[in-house]
Amino acid sequence: GQSLEQPSEVTAVEGAIVQINCTYQTSGFYGLSWYQQHDGGAPTFLSYNGLDGLEETGRFSSFLSRSDSYGYLLLQELQMKDSASYFCAVRDLENYGQNFVFGPGTRLSVLP
Amino acid sequence: GAGVSQSPSNKVTEKGKDVELRCDPISGHTALYWYRQRLGQGLEFLIYFQGNSAPDKSGLPSDRFSAERTGGSVSTLTIQRTQQEDSAVYLCASSLSDSGANVLTFGAGSRLTVL
Repeated sequence: GQSLEQPSEVTAVEGAIVQINCTYQTSGFYGLSWYQQHDGGAPTFLSYNGLDGLEETGRFSSFLSRSDSYGYLLLQELQMKDSASYFCAVRDLENYGQNFVFGPGTRLSVLP
Repeated sequence: GAGVSQSPSNKVTEKGKDVELRCDPISGHTALYWYRQRLGQGLEFLIYFQGNSAPDKSGLPSDRFSAERTGGSVSTLTIQRTQQEDSAVYLCASSLSDSGANVLTFGAGSRLTVL
């Protein structure tokens, strides 16, 4: 089976740094992605890690350790607009070759 | 089109009625996905298309759910004899190909309410 785990909620203040963790169990693995979803909006792509290590895109960074089946999203210099739900997703190429499985999501609240 | 387009954006129906939800993916995107998202929940995979074929139908919750895709473009998700537990936002996403693409582009979703 496939499963991903994330914390359900995280709260931080403006300007702070927050890390959202994701652990996964899949029958196959082809990369870890992160998506942001504001209330009432569509999920939007943030980052992708196919190999171990850190990927940086502006204030957001994402990390992957395939040996630990673990990754995280790091958000720096938090802004109020970062309040949203964040989903990790794993691409499983062994199950018909194309399934993107999403985690349950982490709701981030940024306080002033 | 420029983005993934879904219609209707909102649908209220009575229990037992059939509904059709439409997804128009980004032009040139060969892979198309349907997900269901209940209020405050994560994304539940329903079905995936590569071109017009659906190699993975494992996520369809019951035989009341079906989907098709024609011309490698527009897809329709049909729910027959709707039940209250079908109330959710149905999200469609597309991507460039089934091998090298790692980015899903989502539509705004179709919010279904079954009374």
